[in-house]
Amino acid sequence: AQSVTQLGSHVSVSEGALVLLRCNYSSSVPPYLFWYVQYPNQGLQLLLKYTSAATLVKGINGFEAEFKKSETSFHLTKPSAHMSDAAEYFCAAVDSGNTPLVFGKGTRLSVIA
Amino acid sequence: DTGVSQNPRHKITKRGQNVTFRCDPISEHNRLYWYRQTLGQGPEFLTYFQNEAQLEKSRLLSDRFSAERPKGSFSTLEIQRTEQGDSAMYLCASSLQGVWDEQFFGPGTRLTVL
Repeated sequence: AQSVTQLGSHVSVSEGALVLLRCNYSSSVPPYLFWYVQYPNQGLQLLLKYTSAATLVKGINGFEAEFKKSETSFHLTKPSAHMSDAAEYFCAAVDSGNTPLVFGKGTRLSVIA
Repeated sequence: DTGVSQNPRHKITKRGQNVTFRCDPISEHNRLYWYRQTLGQGPEFLTYFQNEAQLEKSRLLSDRFSAERPKGSFSTLEIQRTEQGDSAMYLCASSLQGVWDEQFFGPGTRLTVL
């Protein structure tokens, strides 16, 4: 069964610094991959998704992620952190077919002024 | 734009009571999902519907849990004889039919069982 691992339950960066949130998936067949963001007291919002069209995926709010099959990774990056990026970030995967999303445990991003 | 809505947003109940939550998906979406999220964890899949058919249930969904989606529109999730371990955020999401289609999430219902 698919599993998703997010390294680091909490990441803290300075405003303007690079953001790197790590995600690894388990299956040998590349799944569809997603990054969601959750702000306090709100539902999850899709940042970006990988569906095999391109390995570098650009999303909203300046985020992007690169799919690396050799590393079974889909890390999320943003060149310059903004205070408004402080939130919980979840990586998720779905295998082809009628299977639901499998989420990682999430990474809480703090941005320090 | 009427996204996914969930009611109530908060529910406090005593152990042993029954509770019911409602989810109204985006109108043209034929898939509807229920997830449970506990503190420090990502959402965990409970069940999903395609139109009115319940296609998959997680092993997390004990026999005290039941979900319905009459007429393929809104959905309800009922928990009977609640236990303290049921305390969590219950999230609903909806999507079009493809597995790669974005799931749009509602704000969730936070359940506290005393």
